[in-house]
Amino acid sequence: AQSVTQLGSHVSVSEGALVLLRCNYSSSVPPYLFWYVQYPNQGLQLLLKYTSAATLVKGINGFEAEFKKSETSFHLTKPSAHMSDAAEYFCAVRLNSNDYKLSFGAGTTVTVRA
Amino acid sequence: DTEVTQTPKHLVMGMTNKKSLKCEQHMGHRAMYWYKQKAKKPPELMFVYSYEKLSINESVPSRFSPECPNSSLLNLHLHALQPEDSALYLCASSQPPGQGNQPQHFGDGTRLSIL
Repeated sequence: AQSVTQLGSHVSVSEGALVLLRCNYSSSVPPYLFWYVQYPNQGLQLLLKYTSAATLVKGINGFEAEFKKSETSFHLTKPSAHMSDAAEYFCAVRLNSNDYKLSFGAGTTVTVRA
Repeated sequence: DTEVTQTPKHLVMGMTNKKSLKCEQHMGHRAMYWYKQKAKKPPELMFVYSYEKLSINESVPSRFSPECPNSSLLNLHLHALQPEDSALYLCASSQPPGQGNQPQHFGDGTRLSIL
């Protein structure tokens, strides 16, 4: 069964520090991968998606993610955290191109310290 | 601004009431979704419509009744809900699978409270 694991339910960083959110998937073939962000009292907003064209994917708000097939990972990073990055982050996978369903990770709450 | 619009933003209802949640998108997407999200949890898929036909029902209780009147609209009719149904209900839309790595676009949700 397809699953996705986000390591760390809560990450706290200082403003200006690196943000690193971990996501690992379990699949024998590279799935379709996404990162979403959810700000308080809002829906999910797409940060970025993996396409086979590049292993390093750039998204909105300065975030990027690197696909590593050998590690079955799709970790999300941002070089310098901003107070506005405080939110819930979800990694999601879709097994194949014909699958409607998204499997979400449990989510990681990011807090940013001034 | 989200491209998927949900109304109302908040809804409080008693267990005997009947109400409806509405979702609208104008992105030309032909797949639409209902999710339920509890606090600090990921969204859970409830229903999927593809080309206005119900494609997936994730064993959702019959007190939730979805409807897709046309390609832009999705409704969720509620009746005789239970307190545990209190949650954030999210609508999403996308191109149907098979058209590349198309992401789902989410609305801001309806916060539902059952008294």
